[in-house]
Amino acid sequence: AQKVTQAQTEISVVEKEDVTLDCVYETRDTTYYLFWYKQPPSGELVFLIRRNSFDEQNEISGRYSWNFQKSTSSFNFTITASQVVDSAVYFCALGNYGQNFVFGPGTRLSVLP
Amino acid sequence: GAVVSQHPSWVICKSGTSVKIECRSLDFQATTMFWYRQFPKQSLMLMATSNEGSKATYEQGVEKDKFLINHASLTLSTLTVTSAHPEDSSFYICSARGGMGGGTLSGNTIYFGEGSWLTVV
Repeated sequence: AQKVTQAQTEISVVEKEDVTLDCVYETRDTTYYLFWYKQPPSGELVFLIRRNSFDEQNEISGRYSWNFQKSTSSFNFTITASQVVDSAVYFCALGNYGQNFVFGPGTRLSVLP
Repeated sequence: GAVVSQHPSWVICKSGTSVKIECRSLDFQATTMFWYRQFPKQSLMLMATSNEGSKATYEQGVEKDKFLINHASLTLSTLTVTSAHPEDSSFYICSARGGMGGGTLSGNTIYFGEGSWLTVV
């Protein structure tokens, strides 16, 4: 069975602080994909990143960075110098070719001014 | 780029009535569409998978007679909530597979619609 765990239900930080959102997944597939999505209050899902299981290279995109560690089945997401506009619910998801996504429960991030 | 459009974004209906939500892939052909439901402060849960021209596959616990899914063309899937009740009030979001860019899976792309807020009163 596939499962995604996001242990942090809610996180509050003060603007300009760094924050890391944890994601741990379970799958028996040898090939799979991991995603992070942002869901602002309006509800739509905003795609942030996709990572395939063969690519453990960490990635940085502006203030966002991702740390994929296959050995611990984790795909953590760090926001550097957080801003109020980063306030949202963030979902980690696990997917595979031709299959639906399995979403984690989400982490609600509040960035306070 | 490819876009998936959902309509309506917001809908309020009376208990006992039916409401239809449309999911359209605007510039690509979506062979597979997925419907998710999200209750307040919870994660997205897959309801059903629909393939163009065939019957939808429903997840366990989802009433197929209540949540009618039609995927009659490669660009349109519809979710009809029949005899809606207040407990059906939720955020419904679709995703479509096909095209280029975004959350790509092995050459196919998964795009999410904007979501539809359903309130049953």
